[in-house]
Parts: sequence; structure tokens; C-alpha cells
Amino acid sequence: EAQVTQNPRYLITVTGKKLTVTCSQNMNHEYMSWYRQDPGLGLRQIYYSMNVEVTDKGDVPEGYKVSRKEKRNFPLILESPSPNQTSLYFCASSALETRFSYTFGSGTRLTVV
Amino acid sequence: KQEVTQIPAALSVPEGENLVLNCSFTDSAIYNLQWFRQDPGKGLTSLLLIQSSQREQTSGRLNASLDKSSGRSTLYIAASQPGDSATYLCAVSDPPGYSTLTFGKGTMLLVSP
Repeated sequence: EAQVTQNPRYLITVTGKKLTVTCSQNMNHEYMSWYRQDPGLGLRQIYYSMNVEVTDKGDVPEGYKVSRKEKRNFPLILESPSPNQTSLYFCASSALETRFSYTFGSGTRLTVV
Repeated sequence: KQEVTQIPAALSVPEGENLVLNCSFTDSAIYNLQWFRQDPGKGLTSLLLIQSSQREQTSGRLNASLDKSSGRSTLYIAASQPGDSATYLCAVSDPPGYSTLTFGKGTMLLVSP
């Protein structure tokens, strides 16, 4: 089944403790993105990647890092999480062949206390 | 900067009604427009993708139209069912198509039996 897989689905952590949210897609898509969703603010893009080793900032990149060492994986790294990063996070992928129709993962609900 | 607005923010209808959800965007130079469905606390499911050169797309009881020049799209749901209850999100991508999806804040639909 074609899908984007995120792990973990739920995470509670403490301020300052580094964490990584993994994202993997099995569709051989070139393009991958991370979004966060907050009540009243909607979905906002954090980072995106056009291919291996090519990443760029979205609208809200502060406090986040990403890497794209393999085509299928696009982890989101929070080196020193803060409570304002409590949110619902989504990874997504697309490709030219799909005319950039995006497939989203099931989401990661992160709580930073 | 592209902005996407969805009206109404919430809608409640009895089962069987036909309904229309509206989406407007400020910059008409879009690459494509995508409608998603989101169930509470869950991921986004792609419903329909309309390329900028297209006027409409249909899938089952769903029909999405696009009027790029006026910056508007509508999602028409025929013969609504309780299972249609969800939040519907409209998102546009600007050329070249792969970098950023700009989302509206969604329309929360409740279909009562």
C-alpha cells in the first residue's frame, strides 16, 4: 500500500530533550514536506525537500531541523524542544508524476512540558 | 503571499442534503488546488486535485470546480451522509508546484441522521 509513515504517533517530552520524528514514504516520491497544525492557525509548512540532500525552509522553520540522506526518509529533528512546539505534525510527499498531489502521513501529536 | 479562505467555518446539515463548500485564494497564479478531508485527530486524505488548466474534477458524490481568474473553488457534495462528517480543507500550490501548499483553515461539516 502506498503510504507515508510517521513515528511515533504520540509523544510527550520535556523541554530541552532532543527528539526526532521519523517519516518514510514507499512511493519513490522526490518531494517531501513537514507541516504543523495548530488550532486557529491551520496547517503551516516547516521544511520541504526537493530530493536527496536538498532541503529548504518553509514558513515556520525556527527550532526545527531536517535531513534527507535517503529518498524515502525525511526526519524532523527538534534539538531543544519548547512548549510552543506542542502541536500536531504531518509529513507529506508528492511527485511530478502525480502532478504534485500530496499524500499525508497520519500525524504525530507532540506535547512538550 | 498566497492566502486561502474557506467559508463557512462550520456547517450542519441533515442527511441527504446537497451542499457546497467554498474556497477562495488571493493569488490566481496557482499550479493546482487540492481538497482534503480530515477526521478529528487524524491525517489528511486527498479527495480531489484540480490542475490550474482544469475547470472541475469529480469523484463519486464529490465535484470540485475551479475558477482561477476569480480565485475561487467549490466542493459540491451530493446526497450527504453522516459518514461525510469531517473537516474539509482546501490547499493551493503555487508554481512550480512542489514547494508549498497553502491551506485554508477548513470547513467543519456535520451531517445529522
